[in-house]
Amino acid sequence: GNSVTQMEGPVTLSEEAFLTINCTYTATGYPSLFWYVQYPGEGLQLLLKATKADDKGSNKGFEATYRKETTSFHLEKGSVQVSDSAVYFCALSDMYSGGGADGLTFGKGTHLIIQP
Amino acid sequence: NAGVTQTPKFRVLKTGQSMTLLCAQDMNHEYMYWYRQDPGMGLRLIHYSVGEGTTAKGEVPDGYNVSRLKKQNFLLGLESAAPSQTSVYFCASSYRDTQPQHFGDGTRLSIL
Repeated sequence: GNSVTQMEGPVTLSEEAFLTINCTYTATGYPSLFWYVQYPGEGLQLLLKATKADDKGSNKGFEATYRKETTSFHLEKGSVQVSDSAVYFCALSDMYSGGGADGLTFGKGTHLIIQP
Repeated sequence: NAGVTQTPKFRVLKTGQSMTLLCAQDMNHEYMYWYRQDPGMGLRLIHYSVGEGTTAKGEVPDGYNVSRLKKQNFLLGLESAAPSQTSVYFCASSYRDTQPQHFGDGTRLSIL
């Protein structure tokens, strides 16, 4: 079956630090990969996505590259801000194994805390 | 731009009571989903629908029922609530299965 593994945290960084949140996946088909962000008291919001190998998704200074050879989709940002404090979820949708219509397979989420 | 709207936002139930959570989307999406979010477990799919009048089981369907009588609405029912169903419930929708999902703000449900 499909699975997503990510560091759970909490991850605590100082403002302007470099961020990496690791995400690796297992899929039986050809998944699309996503990063979602959840701010306190809110639902999940799509942060970025990549649909095929070597694609790079980017948004709001965050980037992630779809690495098929290492089955990874690590999230990075060069200089984090206090407003980036949230929970970040890595997820996949694997349409060729029926995973697309079954919803997304999520990692357990990484709680990121940015201190001023 | 309402997007996905969930009602209610909070609810406290006693064991054995029943209730229905409502999800409404105004984006004309075909696919709708119900998830539950628990500490350390991430989000887990309860049920989903690929169109009006259709429903299917997800990863954790036991104790829940759903209905999709109208394209824009997806209802999640608990017939006899149990403390193990204390959770935050999220509804989501998407245009098709390979497209990103849009989430509501969640319903926080406590079962005493």
